[in-house]
Amino acid sequence: DTGVSQNPRHKITKRGQNVTFRCDPISEHNRLYWYRQTLGQGPEFLTYFQNEAQLEKSRLLSDRFSAERPKGSFSTLEIQRTEQGDSAMYLCASSPVGGGAGEQFFGPGTRLTVL
Amino acid sequence: AQTVTQSQPEMSVQEAETVTLSCTYDTSESDYYLFWYKQPPSRQMILVIRQEAYKQQNATENRFSVNFQKAAKSFSLKISDSQLGDAAMYFCAYRAPNSNSGYALNFGKGTSLLVTP
Repeated sequence: DTGVSQNPRHKITKRGQNVTFRCDPISEHNRLYWYRQTLGQGPEFLTYFQNEAQLEKSRLLSDRFSAERPKGSFSTLEIQRTEQGDSAMYLCASSPVGGGAGEQFFGPGTRLTVL
Repeated sequence: AQTVTQSQPEMSVQEAETVTLSCTYDTSESDYYLFWYKQPPSRQMILVIRQEAYKQQNATENRFSVNFQKAAKSFSLKISDSQLGDAAMYFCAYRAPNSNSGYALNFGKGTSLLVTP
C-alpha cells in the first residue's frame, strides 16, 4: 500500500502524559499536513511542511504541540501534558509540489482519547 | 479567513435515486480550489471530486458531479444512481490559490448521507 500511513491508529492516555504520533506520507509528496478532527466537525488545519521546513502553523497549535519532519520524509506530532480537550482524531495528509490540482491525500488518522 | 458552510447535517436518499448536497463558501479570492471529500465510517477520507475556480465547466466524475456557481459562491455535489456504498460523511473544502494564502484545506462541518435500500 503506497498511501499515507499513520501510527498508532488508536492511543489512550491519561491527562498530563505526553503522546507522539507518526505520519508517513506518499513517498514522492513534498508537502505534509496535520489536521485535527473532533466529533461532528470537519478537520481543522494544524500545520504544514514543505520538505523539512514547517511553513505554516494554525493558532490551534498551542505551545504544548510540536511537529517535526526531520528529513523531509515522515513527520511526528507530539502533544505534551495532554488535556481532555485534546481528545480527537489527528489526520495527516500529503500532496505533491506542483502537481495535481491542490488535492491532499489523507491517512487513516490516529484517534486520541485522553482520560 | 475563508469559511465553508454545509447547511445540511444529514441527508437521506434511496438506492438508485439522486441526491444533492449543498455547500457555500466565503472568499475574496478570484482563483481557488474546491473539493468534496468522502469519509466512510471508521475509514479514511478520500477525494470525490475537485473544481478549479477558473474553470467554468462543472467537474464530473462518473456518478458524481458538481454545480459550481462562482458568483453565488456555491458548490453543490450531485450523486446520481446512489449506491449503498455512498453512505458516508461528505465534506466540502476550500483551498486558497497559492503560498501567500496558505495551502490549508478549510472544511465545512460535513453532511451525513444515509442510503436506504
